[in-house]
Parts: sequence; C-alpha cells; structure tokens
Amino acid sequence: DTAVSQTPKYLVTQMGNDKSIKCEQNLGHDTMYWYKQDSKKFLKIMFSYNNKELIINETVPNRFSPKSPDKAHLNLHINSLELGDSAVYFCASSLTGTGGEETQYFGPGTRLLVL
Amino acid sequence: AQSVTQLGSHVSVSEGALVLLRCNYSSSVPPYLFWYVQYPNQGLQLLLKYTSAATLVKGINGFEAEFKKSETSFHLTKPSAHMSDAAEYFCAVTGGFKTIFGAGTRLFVKA
Repeated sequence: DTAVSQTPKYLVTQMGNDKSIKCEQNLGHDTMYWYKQDSKKFLKIMFSYNNKELIINETVPNRFSPKSPDKAHLNLHINSLELGDSAVYFCASSLTGTGGEETQYFGPGTRLLVL
Repeated sequence: AQSVTQLGSHVSVSEGALVLLRCNYSSSVPPYLFWYVQYPNQGLQLLLKYTSAATLVKGINGFEAEFKKSETSFHLTKPSAHMSDAAEYFCAVTGGFKTIFGAGTRLFVKA
C-alpha cells in the first residue's frame, strides 16, 4: 500500500499549457504539503493544507493553485506553464501539522518538464 | 526564524569508511531537527529526528546524529559506509506548520 501517491509521475508539456498534479494519502493525516525541488535538489515549501484549509502559501505565483477536496487529497493546478516551472514536485503529509516533531511522509514526486 | 546549513554539497567516502555529514541550525526556540534521505528518483524518507528526548539519536540503516546545543549542530554519522548509502541527505528544522530544509549533501560511496 502506497502511503502518499502522486499522479502523474512524469509530465512533459509545452510552455503556456495548463496542467494538474494529484496527490492522495491513505495515512489518515490532517496536513498535506506541496514542495518544489529544483535541479540543484533545493527543496522549498509551496503550500500546506490542514483539514482542507490553506495554512501556508509561500510567495508562489498565482498561476499555481492548490485544491484540497478532502483531507486525503491535495491537488496542484498550474496555469500558463513557464520554463522555470520545470522541477520535481513532491507531495507530503503529516499527522496534524501542528507538532514540530512530526515526521513528514513524502510521495514519489512528479517530474515536470516544460518545453 | 529558523534555518539549517549543510556544510558540503558533496561528500565522497570509501566503502567501509566513516560517514560524516554536517548540519548546523539556527532557531529562536528549542528546535526539532531531522535528517531525511532521498534515493535517486524517489521521495524523501526519514532517517532520524531529534525531539529533545535524547541528544544522541539513532536512526535507520545504522545512522545516528548528535544534537549539540553549544555548537548548534546536528551532524549525521555512520561508522561504516555501504554502497547502498549513496543518496542525497537533507537536514531539516521544524517550527509549527513549516519545515525548513537544508540544501542537501550528496553522498558518494566508492568501492
């Protein structure tokens, strides 16, 4: 059983297109996250949701719109894709998100390449 | 504000040698500190974490880390490297809802 799953695993698209990435966790966690990992492996938080409510929005362009239909799902929609959006996007979850000692559980990543 | 600094973007060791990956943190409150590992084409997974229960923390795959408040450090060690340890290692500090990751250290293990 995959704890945190993402689809698709690979995404190759043209500049200007709109695309979505889906994430699901079956751990019963309350908090989910989106991270962007660039080509130098630097990992940066983009968004965090707690029980479907947006908690963190880290100066991400408004072309990126997260949506959490329920606490087990957190999707990421990207409008008007740009070359600089090429990266690996990771979804993660944690039990409550309020305890600093909580482990985050990561999905396998979605490798986005914008041409 | 919290931050972590990983010293050395690349570390190379021979199989069987000591692994030492360095991490220094900055935190205005008692920190929660983590080491995560990322194998090629995979997501991150927890190696170990410091939650103030004990300063020497043991993790999976023979790794351990020691929290030193006086040095604001949380270095990761393993007595004997194995080829399967080759991966990217991330130190992280958490406060509230946000986790701050270091830039990562790529570990190479030579046969």
